[in-house]
Amino acid sequence: EPEVTQTPSHQVTQMGQEVILRCVPISNHLYFYWYRQILGQKVEFLVSFYNNEISEKSEIFDDQFSVERPDGSNFTLKIRSTKLEDSAMYFCASVRGTGALYGYTFGSGTRLTVV
Amino acid sequence: SQQGEEDPQALSIQEGENATMNCSYKTSINNLQWYRQNSGRGLVHLILIRSNEREKHSGRLRVTLDTSKKSSSLLITASRAADTASYFCATLTETLVFGKGTKLTVNP
Repeated sequence: EPEVTQTPSHQVTQMGQEVILRCVPISNHLYFYWYRQILGQKVEFLVSFYNNEISEKSEIFDDQFSVERPDGSNFTLKIRSTKLEDSAMYFCASVRGTGALYGYTFGSGTRLTVV
Repeated sequence: SQQGEEDPQALSIQEGENATMNCSYKTSINNLQWYRQNSGRGLVHLILIRSNEREKHSGRLRVTLDTSKKSSSLLITASRAADTASYFCATLTETLVFGKGTKLTVNP
């Protein structure tokens, strides 16, 4: 069964450093998403991406965050200057078509620890 | 907010029993989805029910949707120890928004 692949599985970074989280969505999927889950809390929407541009973003997704699909396969989330409160699991997801018809396929996540 | 809120927050049952989890939400939705998350792992899509559907089955899973009450339920029949996980409902409007989840423990 096709999978969404995320790397690295765990990243530790110093506060103020930039991090790039990487995702390889399923190849024929068209819609891409980033979510995060702070330990013990609910899964929160960050951003959706379709046709090489952001289609929706949440209040969490401020100027410190950016997304890219640089080469038609990878989908990256960049945090420019990490804060302690950015520590969380970050999940990438993709959907074959509109989410109205299909469930999302999530990756296994990247655990980001900011120290 | 249109987020779903699951009830109960935690549920502990014996293997072979049925588990029922409920979800309530606040606004009109396109569809409602249920996901499962094993501890520290990714979310796995279980089932999607559209706003014009009332009931859906998939294996041992049964989902109902009552749009007049803005609520849904997930029933897992004949539970197994391997069903131990957190279960989330998620509602779709412009974005997919998750509830806080129900932590299900199935004791062997």
